[in-house]
Amino acid sequence: EAGVAQSPRYKIIEKRQSVAFWCNPISGHATLYWYQQILGQGPKLLIQFQNNGVVDDSQLPKDRFSAERLKGVDSTLKIQPAKLEDSAVYLCASSLGDFWGHYNEQFFGPGTRLTVL
Amino acid sequence: AQTVTQSQPEMSVQEAETVTLSCTYDTSESDYYLFWYKQPPSRQMILVIRQEAYKQQNATENRFSVNFQKAAKSFSLKISDSQLGDAAMYFCAYSRETSGSRLTFGEGTQLTVNP
Repeated sequence: EAGVAQSPRYKIIEKRQSVAFWCNPISGHATLYWYQQILGQGPKLLIQFQNNGVVDDSQLPKDRFSAERLKGVDSTLKIQPAKLEDSAVYLCASSLGDFWGHYNEQFFGPGTRLTVL
Repeated sequence: AQTVTQSQPEMSVQEAETVTLSCTYDTSESDYYLFWYKQPPSRQMILVIRQEAYKQQNATENRFSVNFQKAAKSFSLKISDSQLGDAAMYFCAYSRETSGSRLTFGEGTQLTVNP
């Protein structure tokens, strides 16, 4: 079974530029998560999708970050304009999301390391 | 809000010996999940072990076991017979009981395994 795919693996940009990350979840997984992991810290949820609807975006800086999940499969996360403090690893995860009373494990992708200069 | 605290930024262990990583958490929920994740330099987050709060029995997975103290809100990970491949950053994480809930992570503990 293929895992969660993310691209690019690395990205270096200047501040005030725009950047986009792509995530392809495990086939059949209804729930998709984007986490931000700043160096030396644990990951923090940015946004959670159930199919193509947003479940939780309470910690997403909406003035500069946006995300979409077209057709309930792939997802893109965009930052516009980027700030120095956005330098981090952006992790995508997915889970079955069937909610039938048992725990749905979250499977993580390899992440995208963003450096903002 | 739920919080997860790992008070050991770094730990080291000799190969074949045992090491324990500590984690405490805060929640007002009675049902929830706790996890230990491993993150090697490749950045791939790998689930090591999971504990359901309603279960009194501590979870075990081969060389990995936990000591879950619900009243004390403590959740430690014991790694027995440590191997070089165990070297990584370890994160303690919390999730509400509802399936699909977000994971709340601690700050992590960097584990070094010395040959």
